[in-house]
Parts: sequence; C-alpha cells; structure tokens
Amino acid sequence: EDQVTQSPEALRLQEGESSSLNCSYTVSGLRGLFWYRQDPGKGPEFLFTLYSAGEEKEKERLKATLTKKESFLHITAPKPEDSATYLCAVHGGSQGNLIFGKGTKLSVKP
Amino acid sequence: DTEVTQTPKHLVMGMTNKKSLKCEQHMGHRAMYWYKQKAKKPPELMFVYSYEKLSINESVPSRFSPECPNSSLLNLHLHALQPEDSALYLCASSQRPGQQDPSPLHFGNGTRLTVT
Repeated sequence: EDQVTQSPEALRLQEGESSSLNCSYTVSGLRGLFWYRQDPGKGPEFLFTLYSAGEEKEKERLKATLTKKESFLHITAPKPEDSATYLCAVHGGSQGNLIFGKGTKLSVKP
Repeated sequence: DTEVTQTPKHLVMGMTNKKSLKCEQHMGHRAMYWYKQKAKKPPELMFVYSYEKLSINESVPSRFSPECPNSSLLNLHLHALQPEDSALYLCASSQRPGQQDPSPLHFGNGTRLTVT
C-alpha cells in the first residue's frame, strides 16, 4: 500500500537550535516528492520539489534532501517565524495521485 | 499572497442552503483541484479537472458539485450539506495533470466552511 509517514508529529525548538524533519515513503514509482509549509488557517505553501535520490534543494534556513526511502527537511538556526506545520507529499503509486503525510508541527520559541 | 484566489474566505450555511465556492488562477495552469481539510489532518483530494474536464472524483457525495467554466475558474456548488462537512476547502492548480507531469500544486488560502 502506498504510504507517507512523517516524524515527529510535533517538534519544539529553541531559536537557533537546528534539527531535521523526516518523511519516509513507500510508493511504487516515485515521480516527485514535495515539501509544503502550512500556517494556521492558510493553504499549504509550496517549498521544494525533489525528483531523484541524491537531490538537494535549499531555501534560506531550509534544506531538503532525498534518498530512495525518505526525505529530510533540515532547519538551520530556526527563527520563531519558521513555526508552522510542514507537510510532505509524494507523487506516484498505483493511482498516480498526490499522497500527503500527516505533517510535523514545528514550534520555535524565542 | 498566493496566486490562487479563493472566495469567500469564510462561509456559514444551514443544511438547507445552496452556496458556491469560487477559485481563480491566472498562471496558465491546466489542472485544478478541490481538497477538503479537517483540523490537524492533511488535505484530502475531492476532485481533479484536467484541461477543463473532470478527470477524478474521489467518491465525493453528490451534495458537492464541481464546475470548471474555463481554464482559470473552478467552482464548488454546495447543497444540503451536513455539519460534518464543516472544514477548510482548498483549491489548487498545477501546470499539467499529475498523470502527465508531477509538477507541484499551488494552493489557495481556502474557504473556511461551517455548516449549522
């Protein structure tokens, strides 16, 4: 069964404390992996697309990496404004649709 | 600001009302989507339009009726909803349908629907 699992469910960091979010997946025929950021009451905001193992993308304090089984979203020296829910979604599988993980809620305290 | 615009931002309706949600994008995208999101859950796919034709209906009850008048507009007509239909309804678009090209989805900020 096609599945996307994100961990941890929630993560609390102090400002400046770097960490990583995990997205593991089991889908047949991965065609793309996407990271989104979602603030309360808003729609998901697109961050990165990764297409193949070994690929990396960076944007400000965020860096996304991809292996054949999982993706990591590394957050370096986070700030309170990085607080949000981070969603991982995988395109592939038997239906060819986007499969979302349940998200990681990140809180960064000053 | 998002490039996918949804109206209204908030909607309260009774179970006997008829209302419509609207979505607009001007990025030239040829695939448009409706998602439903409950609190603390990921978005759930409802409908997909590819080149203005309905291509996917994820077994959504008939009280939800989608419409794509042209390549920039997407509507969701609501009738005889239940309180459990209260949720954030998200519209999204992508350059091409996922079956052709896994381009990322761009989401609007949603309509917060409350059914009383």
